[in-house]
Formats: sequence, C-alpha cells, structure tokens
Amino acid sequence: EAQVTQNPRYLITVTGKKLTVTCSQNMNHEYMSWYRQDPGLGLRQIYYSMNVEVTDKGDVPEGYKVSRKEKRNFPLILESPSPNQTSLYFCASSWGAPGLAAGGELFFGEGSRLTVL
Amino acid sequence: RKEVEQDPGPFNVPEGATVAFNCTYSNSASQSFFWYRQDCRKEPKLLMSVYSSGNEDGRFTAQLNRASQYISLLIRDSKLSDSATYLCVVPAILNAGGTSYGKLTFGQGTILTVHP
Repeated sequence: EAQVTQNPRYLITVTGKKLTVTCSQNMNHEYMSWYRQDPGLGLRQIYYSMNVEVTDKGDVPEGYKVSRKEKRNFPLILESPSPNQTSLYFCASSWGAPGLAAGGELFFGEGSRLTVL
Repeated sequence: RKEVEQDPGPFNVPEGATVAFNCTYSNSASQSFFWYRQDCRKEPKLLMSVYSSGNEDGRFTAQLNRASQYISLLIRDSKLSDSATYLCVVPAILNAGGTSYGKLTFGQGTILTVHP
C-alpha cells in the first residue's frame, strides 16, 4: 500500500530534550516536505527537499533541522524543543515539484502531535 | 496582503445546497493551484488541481480568475460527507518560467458543515 509513515504519532516531551520525528514514503517520490499546523494559522511549511541531499527552508524553519540521505526518508529534528514548537506536524511527499503539472499531488502522513512542556 | 487568504467561515449549509469558497493569492506569477480537503485534524487530501482557467470533477468545480488573483471552489448538491475544512494551496514561483522549487503556501482553510 502506497503511504507516508510518520513516527511517533503522539509525543510529550520537555524543553531542551532533542527529538526526531521520522518520515518514510514507499512511493519512490522525489519531493518531501514538513509542515506544522496550528489553530488559526493553518499549515505552514518548515522544510522541503527536492531530492536526496537537497533541502530548502520553508516559511518557519527556525528551531528545526532536516536531512535527506535516502530518497525514502526525511526526518525532522528538534535539537532543543521549546513550548512554542507544540503543534501537529505533517510530512508529505510527491512525485515531483508541487508546482509542476505532472508532479503535483501531495500525499500526507497521518500527522504527529507533539507537546513540549 | 497575505500570500494566500481564505474566508475561514464556518459555512453552515443544508444538504443539497450549493456553496462556494474563494481563495485570494498575492503572487501574480503563480501558475498552479490546489484545493485540499482535511477532515477533523486528519491529514489533508487532494481534492482538485487548477492549472488553467478551471477544472470540474462531478459536483466540484474549481475556477481561476487571474485578473483578480483568486480561485474559487464550488460544491453543488452538498452531502453530509462534504463537511470538512477546505485548504487552498499555492506553490511559490521562484523564476519567471513559472517553475516551483517546492515552496508551498497554504491558506488557513475554510470550514464547511453540511447539516440534514
């Protein structure tokens, strides 16, 4: 089954304790991206990756790191989480750049709800 | 002006009604647009893509007005199952050729509730 898998789905942690949210896709997609969703603000893009070893900042990259060492995986790293990073996080992938006619549909993971105390 | 702006609603309509949402965007160079549907804090799923003047899929019609820089989503004969949040998505354009390098902006979403 074609899917994007995120882990963990739920996490409560404390300020400053490094954590990683994993994201894996089995569709051989080139493009992957991370978003956070907050009430009243909608989804905001954190980072995206056009291909292996190619990553770029989205609108809200501060406090986050990513890596793309393999095509299927795109982990999101919070080196020193803070309470303002409490949010619902989504990973997504697509065949190509979302703005291209042939590559546009984004497939999302089920989301990871993170609480930082 | 926000890059992508939607009326958050909520829109409350009876079954069978026709309802329309608008989404305005600020970048006049944007070439492609998307409507995603999100159910109750679940993951968004693609509803429609709009690359030219519009697109139609069954009860759903998306139209693009480049002069006024907005896209609309029309839902005819609303069903209870159409209740969801509808997200407008616009890729950023980083060159004059209209190619997106992956940066996306989401509207904050329009909440639709269809009641019996």
